[in-house]
Amino acid sequence: GAVVSQHPSWVICKSGTSVKIECRSLDFQATTMFWYRQFPKQSLMLMATSNEGSKATYEQGVEKDKFLINHASLTLSTLTVTSAHPEDSSFYICSARVGTSGPLEQYFGPGTRLTVT
Amino acid sequence: DAKTTQPPSMDCAEGRAANLPCNHSTISGNEYVYWYRQIHSQGPQYIIHGLKNNETNEMASLIITEDRKSSTLILPHATLRDTAVYYCIVRGNSGGYQKVTFGIGTKLQVIP
Repeated sequence: GAVVSQHPSWVICKSGTSVKIECRSLDFQATTMFWYRQFPKQSLMLMATSNEGSKATYEQGVEKDKFLINHASLTLSTLTVTSAHPEDSSFYICSARVGTSGPLEQYFGPGTRLTVT
Repeated sequence: DAKTTQPPSMDCAEGRAANLPCNHSTISGNEYVYWYRQIHSQGPQYIIHGLKNNETNEMASLIITEDRKSSTLILPHATLRDTAVYYCIVRGNSGGYQKVTFGIGTKLQVIP
């Protein structure tokens, strides 16, 4: 149980275009989803937290107009990288929170590798 | 959240127990200790978590000291597939806005 999927697993796009990444919780309802970014040989960096039906909360330094997050249902969150540039090339990982109280249980997707040319 | 300190890297012989330490001296009473690992180019994988008592599951054991200022993740019989970066994270369970913040972790290399 507690499987999180991401689509696509990798994507190559041209500079200036937009890319949408989907994150789905397959066998549970996720009230909260998180988006991370990971550059080579670095740790995961939290970008934003999204709660179903409300606006995402972005970490300091993350441009909300560039990284659009939509959490329209309890099983789907999307991250859109708008007007992508080569410096946006990274490994994007989503995770989903199980439940709303008690010990934190957070499950991660397999990641999406974005390359902007 | 309490800060954690882990060694940047460790080696372990295949078949032997891998003991990964974590210091969290500023942990507060309601904060849990979580362990995740990340195999190269994959998303992090939940391993185990605990509050005060030692915990064991099919993947690993978690030993938490009595004063809760440090813990050890034990992989009883390490295999090559256990080569990964292991993250120790301390987080409370209260409040609706909860997030997992990653440090640099310990890169475990299992050697044949």
